Amino acid sequence: DGGITQSPKYLFRKEGQNVTLSCEQNLNHDAMYWYRQDPGQGLRLIYYSHIVNDFQKGDIAEGYSVSREKKESFPLTVTSAQKNPTAFYLCASGLAGDNEQFFGPGTRLTVL
Amino acid sequence: QKEVEQDPGPLSVPEGAIVSLNCTYSNSAFQYFMWYRQYSRKGPELLMYTYSSGNKEDGRFTAQVDKSSKYISLFIRDSQPSDSATYLCAMSNTGRRALTFGSGTRLQVQP
Repeated sequence: DGGITQSPKYLFRKEGQNVTLSCEQNLNHDAMYWYRQDPGQGLRLIYYSHIVNDFQKGDIAEGYSVSREKKESFPLTVTSAQKNPTAFYLCASGLAGDNEQFFGPGTRLTVL
Repeated sequence: QKEVEQDPGPLSVPEGAIVSLNCTYSNSAFQYFMWYRQYSRKGPELLMYTYSSGNKEDGRFTAQVDKSSKYISLFIRDSQPSDSATYLCAMSNTGRRALTFGSGTRLQVQP
């Protein structure tokens, strides 16, 4: 059953903690992306990766970090430096050289 | 000014109506245009994908792109209550690949 999985579905973080959001895909896609969605603001790009061991900052990368050690996996760490992390986080993937992106179900992060 | 503008709605229509959803944009380098449907608390689902100007039809959905006016539209014919969702437009240029999204329009189709 091919697709993109994100875990956990809900995540609660205390202030000052780092948390890592998981994103896995079995679609054999080279490119993977992380977006943040806030009410009324659409999706904003955090980081993206078009190839293993390489990634680029998006529009709002401050306070976030990523790694791309495997083609299938693109975890996102929300660090304590991210001042307003409460949001819905979406992972997407696509074929290299293509503009279509396919999204996972999302992780809702809440800071307590 | 945002690169992509989209009326947030909500837009409420009766079942069977024709729905028109629109986005305007400012970056003339955009060449790829997409419409996503997002149900509450779910990930977006790709509905339509078009390249450059023109029309594309898929069942009850028609996407239009007018690059000269920097304006794109999604039409939904014979709307159904199951079409109630937020519709996001997205676009990209050749170089970047990552998408720039509108803020989304919330649609409610009343039975």
